[in-house]
Amino acid sequence: EAGVTQFPSHSVIEKGQTVTLRCDPISGHDNLYWYRRVMGKEIKFLLHFVKESKQDESGMPNNRFLAERTGGTYSTLKVQPAELEDSGVYFCASSQEVSRWDKLSYEQYFGPGTRLTVT
Amino acid sequence: AQSVTQPDIHITVSEGASLELRCNYSYGATPYLFWYVQSPGQGLQLLLKYFSGDTLVQGIKGFEAEFKRSQSSFNLRKPSVHWSDAAEYFCAVGLHKYIFGTGTRLKVLA
Repeated sequence: EAGVTQFPSHSVIEKGQTVTLRCDPISGHDNLYWYRRVMGKEIKFLLHFVKESKQDESGMPNNRFLAERTGGTYSTLKVQPAELEDSGVYFCASSQEVSRWDKLSYEQYFGPGTRLTVT
Repeated sequence: AQSVTQPDIHITVSEGASLELRCNYSYGATPYLFWYVQSPGQGLQLLLKYFSGDTLVQGIKGFEAEFKRSQSSFNLRKPSVHWSDAAEYFCAVGLHKYIFGTGTRLKVLA
């Protein structure tokens, strides 16, 4: 079974440009999450999808970030326009959606991350 | 406020020595706790998790962790470290929204 995949693995863009990151969750996982790790800091939650619906987007830094999950399969995270402080590693994770009482719903599997460098 | 503290940023141990990585958390409800490992060039791999029940949990690669509610801790241990364990280790707490510690980078001396 394939794990969570992310594309691209690395991206280098100039300040002001647009970048779109993609995440393909494990097949059958309705929960999809985005996290970000800025250099030297902790990994921080950005948002959570259940299927195509945004369940929690409390961690999104500002309106330059737009996440979508059309059809409830893969997700994209667009940064427009990119700023220097957006540099970091963006992780995607997924988990099953069994029920709120089932622990499997909370066991997240992470992708390898996309390293974004804004110059 | 909800938080996770990993007090050791770097740890160096000799191969074959025992290992303990510390994790303290602050969380309002009964915590779900996790340890992840990130090897160079790899994603985060789940080592083990604690949801409830037995406070000593076993994970993959010979790791175990003990949940101590009175100390708000979930320390990771391994009796004998292998060179391949060199990586960065993350403690996390949460339900859908994980809160991570800053990570502990483990170096293993041959």
